[in-house]
Amino acid sequence: GAVVSQHPSWVICKSGTSVKIECRSLDFQATTMFWYRQFPKQSLMLMATSNEGSKATYEQGVEKDKFLINHASLTLSTLTVTSAHPEDSSFYICSARSGHGEGAFFGQGTRLTVV
Amino acid sequence: QQQVKQSPQSLIVQKGGISIINCAYENTAFDYFPWYQQFPGKGPALLIAIRPDVSEKKEGRFTISFNKSAKQFSLHIMDSQPGDSATYFCAASKDGGFKTIFGAGTRLFVKA
Repeated sequence: GAVVSQHPSWVICKSGTSVKIECRSLDFQATTMFWYRQFPKQSLMLMATSNEGSKATYEQGVEKDKFLINHASLTLSTLTVTSAHPEDSSFYICSARSGHGEGAFFGQGTRLTVV
Repeated sequence: QQQVKQSPQSLIVQKGGISIINCAYENTAFDYFPWYQQFPGKGPALLIAIRPDVSEKKEGRFTISFNKSAKQFSLHIMDSQPGDSATYFCAASKDGGFKTIFGAGTRLFVKA
């Protein structure tokens, strides 16, 4: 299947700082990428849809000013958690489709811990 | 209408047995139904997927059964192995993979 790479795999940051997570489609171009958040032993919750060259579409209840998404190219989307707080600690996962009708492929996830 | 309901929450199966996980959906606009396998600390991996025009799809030990009229689909893992122990998510999306909605997940444990 298609490969989606996410970096970093884990990060620890101090409260109040910002953290950037990268999501890359390695062997295909993705006009659309998705960002999910997963709490321990829970399902994946869609946060936002990242569209190349345009603004991201956020799900209801997700603060767009806190979770900044940039999709600058067909192979890269970034999620920046701004002014992070301990409650932002979670597992963040991106995904992308390799083509119309193809399933979404997921990155390996980023474990964010805010101390 | 956007929900995908998954059961059971957890499942214990003997090695060599059959693991069965069930899902149900409401939105008839969904046209793509994948199953994902997730190990702790890792992202979900696409296992197998089916479209509504097919009632069954088999790949190796994994089979999806799909009942369009009942709006239900299930994953069967034949000859379950300890290495299959993971969390399994059913999912649904429109337009073949756009904006995937996940079920709550099933934690499978296969006893050796």
